[in-house]
Amino acid sequence: DAGVTQSPTHLIKTRGQQVTLRCSPKSGHDTVSWYQQALGQGPQFIFQYYEEEERQRGNFPDRFSGHQFPNYSSELNVNALLLGDSALYLCASSLTWDTQYFGPGTRLTVL
Amino acid sequence: GENVEQHPSTLSVQEGDSAVIKCTYSDSASNYFPWYKQELGKGPQLIIDIRSNVGEKKDQRIAVTLNKTAKHFSLHITETQPEDSAVYFCAAPGMLTFGGGTRLMVKP
Repeated sequence: DAGVTQSPTHLIKTRGQQVTLRCSPKSGHDTVSWYQQALGQGPQFIFQYYEEEERQRGNFPDRFSGHQFPNYSSELNVNALLLGDSALYLCASSLTWDTQYFGPGTRLTVL
Repeated sequence: GENVEQHPSTLSVQEGDSAVIKCTYSDSASNYFPWYKQELGKGPQLIIDIRSNVGEKKDQRIAVTLNKTAKHFSLHITETQPEDSAVYFCAAPGMLTFGGGTRLMVKP
């Protein structure tokens, strides 16, 4: 049984560009959450998707948007990239509200 | 909003010793308390969790204790091994806020 998978593994972009990150949840999970983890810090909650809708959102600007597909996979989009967006982006999936399992993350570098 | 404080930020122990990491939270409605282990270059891995109707939960060398009155929960690792070296994170409530992390180093 595959766990949470994310793609790509690494990504390099320049300021002002747009990026799309992808996540496939653990088999049987219907909820996907996204987190941003800056170097040396804990993950920061971006938003959570359930039944193809954003169920909850953290303190992130509208430049961060997402989508969930009927097969429960999800995308995270970031527009107008800033240097400060450089981070590890983590996807976590769950069946219940709380017990979440993380993927390996996508390392985004903005130059 | 919710505030989660985690201590210590770094912890160095000798192999075989015990390690304790503590988190305090502010939202009294919190009822789920997970602990994650993150190794270099990897995503966080759930190692143990506890719900508010239980005061303690144990899984081999790892245990979590919860004090709802004082609003804190702790991770206990006994008989530490070098492979326990990693960064450990707590989270509350419901995964919305993570602590700042504890870098545990187990010296052989």
